[in-house]
Amino acid sequence: EVELVESGGASVQPGGSLRLSCAASGFPFSSFEMTWVRQVPGKGPEWISYISSASSTKYYADSVKGRFTISRDNAKNSLYLQLNSLRDEDTAVYYCARAIRDGQTMDQWGQGALVTVSS
Amino acid sequence: SYVLTQPSAVSVAPGETARITCGENNIGRKSVHWFQQKPGQAPVLVIYYDTERPSGIPDRFSASNSENTATLTISRVEAGDEADYYCQVWDSSHHYVFGSGTKVTVL
Repeated sequence: EVELVESGGASVQPGGSLRLSCAASGFPFSSFEMTWVRQVPGKGPEWISYISSASSTKYYADSVKGRFTISRDNAKNSLYLQLNSLRDEDTAVYYCARAIRDGQTMDQWGQGALVTVSS
Repeated sequence: SYVLTQPSAVSVAPGETARITCGENNIGRKSVHWFQQKPGQAPVLVIYYDTERPSGIPDRFSASNSENTATLTISRVEAGDEADYYCQVWDSSHHYVFGSGTKVTVL
């Protein structure tokens, strides 16, 4: 069974940093592209980052470019998101999600990790 | 970039058919994917590449995509279908765009 489990969510002050992790199991992690998507409670999902299977290609939404960094460790079946220079508007539930086929959508999602940015 | 417009809410009686639209210029040229999200849960893919259903999704869920509108159709609606629904496309900049979301209420 495919499973994605996020961890590392926390409450942090504006300007602070955080690293989210996503542990994958039940599928050949190294063969799949992965993404991070966030969602403000009561709002729709917002894609924020993508990484190819071998980490050679990474993309970011304009809202996080230069502040967030996506990475992965295929030997550990893990995906990461480093969040720096956090702002109030980064408060959201952060999901890791597996991309499928040519990467146009995501078929499996984790349960999410809540990040709260507040002074 | 794409802006996917959905009706904010759709109400439907049990057993009837719900149709949720997703509008954007020339969306018919893109592959459209649909997610269902229930309160407190992660989104679930219910339709991908315009018309395909992932395993485990009932055949009551179907979709179409043409010209400027993509449509998700839920036939024989059940109480358990009550949820938020989002359309999604992928653009040439390798960005994923989600629609504004539609809340489906089963009367």
